[in-house]
Amino acid sequence: NAGVTQTPKFQVLKTGQSMTLQCAQDMNHNSMYWYRQDPGMGLRLIYYSASEGTTDKGEVPNGYNVSRLNKREFSLRLESAAPSQTSVYFCASILTGTTTDTQYFGPGTRLTVL
Amino acid sequence: DAKTTQPNSMESNEEEPVHLPCNHSTISGTDYIHWYRQLPSQGPEYVIHGLTSNVNNRMASLAIAEDRKSSTLILHRATLRDAAVYYCILRSYSNSGYALNFGKGTSLLVTP
Repeated sequence: NAGVTQTPKFQVLKTGQSMTLQCAQDMNHNSMYWYRQDPGMGLRLIYYSASEGTTDKGEVPNGYNVSRLNKREFSLRLESAAPSQTSVYFCASILTGTTTDTQYFGPGTRLTVL
Repeated sequence: DAKTTQPNSMESNEEEPVHLPCNHSTISGTDYIHWYRQLPSQGPEYVIHGLTSNVNNRMASLAIAEDRKSSTLILHRATLRDAAVYYCILRSYSNSGYALNFGKGTSLLVTP
């Protein structure tokens, strides 16, 4: 049981390049989330998927798109990377409808945009 | 969303108890109080959560004030591995489903 996995772990892009961050969970969770964390700050929600087939914007969605490929996978795409998107990106998942309500986080992707 | 207020940083000696405070004066009756921590270079991890009553688990204890306007995370014997940023978060069933609103948290330094 790997939990939440993210690829790649590190990435350097040039301004204007595109890339997709991958996230997968093997816990049969319903909801999945993408957060970004800038240095010295807390996490901010980019997009989320409450269930398979649905996606919604969070606090900071501009410059990003997402795809909930299936129940396991939730990807984040940067179409035209900008230096302001330099950050650490965390994916998380949760099994909704229980009393536990624990979010499980992946190890993060450290992205630098030059 | 109701907000929380935490000290920016705290320091503790190893093997001593640590009390991490959190104020949430605008908490609503249905808000759960969650604590997560983030070890260096890792994703956040769940620590504990509660609604009204004090809670204990293998990692920590959560003491909730009677009026629910504040809470305290208690680490009974701090170890060097407990050095992390601790986030106090109110979780409500908002439009963001179960998304968590992270603030800056409290950075805990544990010294030998």
